[in-house]
Amino acid sequence: QVQLVQSGAEVKKPGASVKVSCKASGYTFTNYYMHWVRQAPGQGLEWMGWINPNSGGTNYAQRFQGRVIMTRDTSISTAYMELSRLRFDDTAVYYCARERSYYDSSGYHDAFDIWGQGTMVTVSS
Amino acid sequence: DIQMTQSPSSLSASVGDRVTITCQASQDISNYLNWYQQKPGRAPKLLIYDASNLETGVPSRFSGSGSGTDFTFTISSLQPEDIATYYCQQHDNLPRIFTFGPGTKVDIK
Repeated sequence: QVQLVQSGAEVKKPGASVKVSCKASGYTFTNYYMHWVRQAPGQGLEWMGWINPNSGGTNYAQRFQGRVIMTRDTSISTAYMELSRLRFDDTAVYYCARERSYYDSSGYHDAFDIWGQGTMVTVSS
Repeated sequence: DIQMTQSPSSLSASVGDRVTITCQASQDISNYLNWYQQKPGRAPKLLIYDASNLETGVPSRFSGSGSGTDFTFTISSLQPEDIATYYCQQHDNLPRIFTFGPGTKVDIK
């Protein structure tokens, strides 16, 4: 079945970097954009950006530009999100999500139809 | 950037009640609006896409409507398993940016 499986929980110190992986299975990895969304404890969902697994092209939310890098390894159908210069307020669950997208005469049709299970990243001294 | 607001931020209703949540965009987004359900400790789940289209496998008591800047999400008859937080999400296409609303927490009274 179609699924995204993420790497395990991480504990990092302020100023360090973290790299979270998201392994796709059950579909053609390069046919769907992959997004990253985070959720701080007790807070809402925050979109971080996307990667086009086919081209490697990326687009990051403005507030993460300069600190986040999204990459992929098509040989193992895995996307990665690396966040650097970690701060205490980066403590959150990080999700990857597949974007289902198509365009027709009525416009664009984009939605996040498959999600990973989430990876807890804790920033603590 | 387009900003999204939702109301109410939380609500309590009885089993069987009709529940309505509104989402407003700061500018016209056509029907580029999705709704997600998130249960505690779980990843979000897509319920409605393009403002009014029910995702495959989602119960028909869930529905959505609206276009432009004002959107509505409805649960026609609230069930105990619907306890969750509901988020709207818009997407721009040039560039491709996605924004979530702040969420509405739904509880059983």
